[in-house]
Amino acid sequence: EAGVVQSPRYKIIEKKQPVAFWCNPISGHNTLYWYRQNLGQGPELLIRYENEEAVDDSQLPKDRFSAERLKGVDSTLKIQPAELGDSAVYLCASSYPGEAYGYTFGSGTRLTVV
Amino acid sequence: GDSVTQMEGPVTLSEEAFLTINCTYTATGYPSLFWYVQYPGEGLQLLLKATKADDKGSNKGFEATYRKETTSFHLEKGSVQVSDSAVYFCALRAPNNNAGNMLTFGGGTRLMVKP
Repeated sequence: EAGVVQSPRYKIIEKKQPVAFWCNPISGHNTLYWYRQNLGQGPELLIRYENEEAVDDSQLPKDRFSAERLKGVDSTLKIQPAELGDSAVYLCASSYPGEAYGYTFGSGTRLTVV
Repeated sequence: GDSVTQMEGPVTLSEEAFLTINCTYTATGYPSLFWYVQYPGEGLQLLLKATKADDKGSNKGFEATYRKETTSFHLEKGSVQVSDSAVYFCALRAPNNNAGNMLTFGGGTRLMVKP
C-alpha cells in the first residue's frame, strides 16, 4: 500500500512569489491534515479536512494561505505571496475518521523562501 | 490548552547505552499519547502509543508507560544502536476525539548514537 505522497520534496522560491504543495492521502482515508514544522520544532496543525470539507482551519493564516481538497481525495496547500517566515517543512497526513491510534504522515515538502 | 514538553537535545550516547527521553503533558482528561520518530529526510513515523493510564507502548525495543499521576510518557530503550539516531517527538491526542483528532507535539529531541 502506498503511503501519503507529497510533492515536491523541496522548493526554493523568492519572497512574494506564490507556491503550492500537493498531497495524495492513503486510499480510503477520509481525514486529511496539513501541518507546518518549523526548524527545530514539532509540527503544528494548519488545517484538517473531513472528506472535502475543511472542518478546522483556525490555525491557517488566511490572508496568504489557502487550501482545497477537491473530491475529498488529493489536497493542495497554497501560499501567496510567500514570506521569509514561511520557510518550514509542510507535512500532510491522513487517517480514517476518528482514528484513535495516530495517523500516517507524508515525507513533507521543505520550503525555503529567500 | 493542551501542551507537550520534551527534554531538549541533542542527546548523545554511545552504542548500547541506555536511553531515556522525558516527556510530560498538560491536558484535560485522559489523552492518548504517542511517540513519533523522524529519520533524516523522512516524514514522521509512529513509534508507539498508549491510550489509557498505566498502558505501556512498545516497539523496536523502545518502551513508554502512560503515567497519569505524573502526567508523563517517558521514552526508554535499554540498548541504543547507531540506526536509532533520529529526532523523537512526543505527542498527545485529546480525549473523546475532542479537537478532531488533532495531535499536539512536543518540540522534539534529537538523538545521536555514536559507534
